[in-house]
Amino acid sequence: AQKITQTQPGMFVQEKEAVTLDCTYDTSDPSYGLFWYKQPSSGEMIFLIYQGSYDQQNATEGRYSLNFQKARKSANLVISASQLGDSAMYFCAVGTNAGKSTFGDGTTLTVKP
Amino acid sequence: SQTIHQWPATLVQPVGSPLSLECTVEGTSNPNLYWYRQAAGRGLQLLFYSVGIGQISSEVPQNLSASRPQDRQFILSSKKLLLSDSGFYLCAWIPQWTGVWETQYFGPGTRLLVL
Repeated sequence: AQKITQTQPGMFVQEKEAVTLDCTYDTSDPSYGLFWYKQPSSGEMIFLIYQGSYDQQNATEGRYSLNFQKARKSANLVISASQLGDSAMYFCAVGTNAGKSTFGDGTTLTVKP
Repeated sequence: SQTIHQWPATLVQPVGSPLSLECTVEGTSNPNLYWYRQAAGRGLQLLFYSVGIGQISSEVPQNLSASRPQDRQFILSSKKLLLSDSGFYLCAWIPQWTGVWETQYFGPGTRLLVL
């Protein structure tokens, strides 16, 4: 079974600053994918970034980057230059066979003006 | 382009009543389909997934069931709702699983309140 741990229930960041959201995972699968999603108050799940377990380079997508440390089983999300619209809940997930995903309990990010 | 629909958007049901939530995907064929439930302030819990018509795998034993009567239709049902069934239900899909991970595409969700 897979497990995702997001230890920060809530985070605050000043607008235009960078913020790191923590994620550690536990899986026995030799090959897996790591995902981050954003969920605004509307409830929709918005895909942000993906990292494959065999990818050597850390993934980046615009202002989002994934700090992947395989030996530590951690996949932290870094958001640079925070914007007010970044205020939302953020979920880390690990993808395994059959395309299934296991999600953490999320981190609520609040961006202060 | 592919789109995913869920209905209804919100639902208030009494305890003991039946449930039927529907999810349909357009613009793709033979997708893998998933039902997740999200309790308030929590992450998503996988309930069921399907790799093809009539093929359903249950991840969590409970009083819910799922069916896939057509290639792009996924239905979540219950004969008698419990208070604990309240939550936000999300349907998701990916192209047919080939061993390569890609993001799941989520529907807009159904908010269910059981009273």
